[in-house]
Parts: sequence; structure tokens; C-alpha cells
Amino acid sequence: GAVVSQHPSRVICKSGTSVKIECRSLDFQATTMFWYRQFPKQSLMLMATSNEGSKATYEQGVEKDKFLINHASLTLSTLTVTSAHPEDSSFYICSARVGGGAPGEQYFGPGTRLTVT
Amino acid sequence: AQSVAQPEDQVNVAEGNPLTVKCTYSVSGNPYLFWYVQYPNRGLQFLLKYITGDNLVKGSYGFEAEFNKSQTSFHLKKPSALVSDSALYFCAVSPPGGSARQLTFGSGTQLTVLP
Repeated sequence: GAVVSQHPSRVICKSGTSVKIECRSLDFQATTMFWYRQFPKQSLMLMATSNEGSKATYEQGVEKDKFLINHASLTLSTLTVTSAHPEDSSFYICSARVGGGAPGEQYFGPGTRLTVT
Repeated sequence: AQSVAQPEDQVNVAEGNPLTVKCTYSVSGNPYLFWYVQYPNRGLQFLLKYITGDNLVKGSYGFEAEFNKSQTSFHLKKPSALVSDSALYFCAVSPPGGSARQLTFGSGTQLTVLP
């Protein structure tokens, strides 16, 4: 089956620093990847759609300059949280579509727990 | 706009008993429906999907779901629950022909299977 990995799984950083999270599709090529944010005991909120070779599409209310997304290759998308603050602490999950799959069918990474102190 | 409702935040069931996790949806046209499971500090794992065809869909780990168009529901079921089924379950919907960006998740239901 399609496997998506994320690195790191857990990161703690100081307020004001930047953190990069990687999302990789291990055994397939993903032209489109998605970044979600999940607060404790809440559902996933789509932050942005990452498109290989082009700019990401951000959802309303998501700061483009704060959450930088780069989709440099067909197997890698990165999310950089710039000038992180404690309110950015959250669980970040990426997913990828498999080509030919049903719309909405996505494979999810294991998530990254970000804690900003 | 499409939406998904999971009316129960928490479902408790004894091991060996049947379980049901409820989901209702609102979307124009015939939807694509999904169930995902999330274990603590993990990403979502795909369980099953309904696209078209038989209303009863079978998925991973013995789970199944029944699509009911008249009731706009897609309840997740399992005949005999296991303690290891304890996790957070999400229903999701996308409109037919919609992009993956249009996937909408329910609020999640925490399932606890008691030994």
C-alpha cells in the first residue's frame, strides 16, 4: 500500500525560531500533498494543498508567510513554521493522493507533534 | 457546502459486542464517503470507502459501513469489538468529481472497547 512518512515525529522549539517538517511519499509519486492541523480531541483542518512545481494553495485564514510550503519533488513536500509561537503548537499531518485513486482518497503520514516553548 | 456530522463524541462498548459509530453527511449529489481511524499520536489510517455500488462496504480490520442515501448516513459497524479497536474514528466526505481539497472530516468519535 501507499506509505507516507513524516519527519520529525516530534519537535520542541523555542518561540521565535523556525521549524521544518518533511512529508515524503515512499513508494509512489504524489503530485499533490495536503497539510492538516489537528488540535487535541478535534478534527483535522486543512491548511493548504501542496502542488509539485507550483505554489501551494492555502485555505482561508491560514497565513502564507507563516506556514511556508514547498513541494520540490514528486515525493517530498515541506512545511516550515516560521517565527513559531506557542499558539502554533499542534499536531501537523500531511497526506498524499495516489494517482488514479478516488477523489478524496488520501494516505496520511504519522503526524508531527510541534511544541513551541 | 458539504458537511459531516458525527453526533457522538464518545462510544463505549464491551469487548465482543457489536459496535456502531454514527455518521451523517450533507452534500450535493452522490457523495464519496470515507472512514479513517487514528491511534494516539499517529496519522489517519484508511478503513474503507463508498464510491458507488453495493451499499454495504467492507473494509480493514473487520469493519464495514452501510451507505443509506435516504437517511444520508454512513455508519461504521463491526460485529464483534476488540480492545485494540479503541481509537479515534473520523468520517469524511467529498462530492463526486470533487478535488481532494474538498475532503471534509467529521469531528471524530472516540471509541473505547472495554475488556
